[in-house]
Amino acid sequence: GENVEQHPSTLSVQEGDSAVIKCTYSDSASNYFPWYKQELGKRPQLIIDIRSNVGEKKDQRIAVTLNKTAKHFSLHITETQPEDSAVYFCAALRANDMRFGAGTRLTVKP
Amino acid sequence: ETGVTQTPRHLVMGMTNKKSLKCEQHLGHNAMYWYKQSAKKPLELMFVYNFKEQTENNSVPSRFSPECPNSSHLFLHLHTLQPEDSALYLCASSQDVTGGYEQYFGPGTRLTVT
Repeated sequence: GENVEQHPSTLSVQEGDSAVIKCTYSDSASNYFPWYKQELGKRPQLIIDIRSNVGEKKDQRIAVTLNKTAKHFSLHITETQPEDSAVYFCAALRANDMRFGAGTRLTVKP
Repeated sequence: ETGVTQTPRHLVMGMTNKKSLKCEQHLGHNAMYWYKQSAKKPLELMFVYNFKEQTENNSVPSRFSPECPNSSHLFLHLHTLQPEDSALYLCASSQDVTGGYEQYFGPGTRLTVT
């Protein structure tokens, strides 16, 4: 089955800096890659996603890049703000099976 | 948010008890999911239902038994659980299972097995 690795497990940045989280996947048949944000005590919520026929997608301060050949995708957050502090999960979907990474705890220091 | 609701929010049960978790979605979605979230581990997909039919079972022990009577309701029946089953159980729904649709999560049920 699919295996998703996510790094780093924790990330601390200063407000205004950029944050990058990377994920790799093993199954080349995976074709959909969402990113979820989970604030403390709350449910995961989708923040951005990318499909396998696209290399990059951007939504305001958030962008995702996908390298299908290398089987890795990354989340980029620019101009970080304290409210960006949360756990971020990447995932890869193959058919019915969504596999999540272990999560990255991002802390943005004011 | 009321799109996906779960009850109860917290549950403490002994290893010999039988209990059920309930999930309801009000989004008109066709697919529903059960996930297990343990500390410092990836979200684990347990079961997938599409149009009330189970399409995925990721090697989940038989002490977890799902039930999907219709596209809006999903249950997880629990019996003779182990302490390591203590976790946050999240329900989610999406428009369909394939094609890459956003999954909307419920608030979860925090389960403690004593």
